[in-house]
Amino acid sequence: EDQVTQSPEALRLQEGESSSLNCSYTVSGLRGLFWYRQDPGKGPEFLFTLYSAGEEKEKERLKATLTKKESFLHITAPKPEDSATYLCAVPPTSGTYKYIFGTGTRLKVLA
Amino acid sequence: DVKVTQSSRYLVKRTGEKVFLECVQDMDHENMFWYRQDPGLGLRLIYFSYDVKMKEKGDIPEGYSVSREKKERFSLILESASTNQTSMYLCASSPQGQGPHEQYFGPGTRLTVT
Repeated sequence: EDQVTQSPEALRLQEGESSSLNCSYTVSGLRGLFWYRQDPGKGPEFLFTLYSAGEEKEKERLKATLTKKESFLHITAPKPEDSATYLCAVPPTSGTYKYIFGTGTRLKVLA
Repeated sequence: DVKVTQSSRYLVKRTGEKVFLECVQDMDHENMFWYRQDPGLGLRLIYFSYDVKMKEKGDIPEGYSVSREKKERFSLILESASTNQTSMYLCASSPQGQGPHEQYFGPGTRLTVT
């Protein structure tokens, strides 16, 4: 069964304390992995797409990486404004539209 | 700048009412989606549309219907609202073509059914 698991569920960091969020998946023949940021009470905002193992994408303090079994979202020297829930999603093994979303990691960065 | 808008940010309805949630995208995307998001359950797909008047059921279509009469607009209808449909409803769109593609989400509608 296609599945996406994110860990940890919640993470508290001090400002400037770098860390990583994990997204592990069990789909056959990965065709892409997507990262989103979601602020409380708002819709997810698209961050990155990764298509193949070894690929990396960066945006400001965020860097997403992909292996054959998992993806990491590395946050370098985070600031309080990076506080949000980070979601990852993958398309299904078969078909095109029933994307599988993880339940997210709630990140809180303390000043 | 890509944009998906939803008709209401907050909505309060009574049990048994018919509820319409509207979504509009300005990116000329073929695909549109309706999700609901509940704590601990993540995003669950209600319906998907890949073209005007075309729709596919998602994982939880019971109690919902959809309408897509124009490419840019996708409506979610709760035929007879119930308290277990209290949730955050999210609309999204994505292009077709060689993919898969990322989805762009609207701001969400927080629906409360009393």
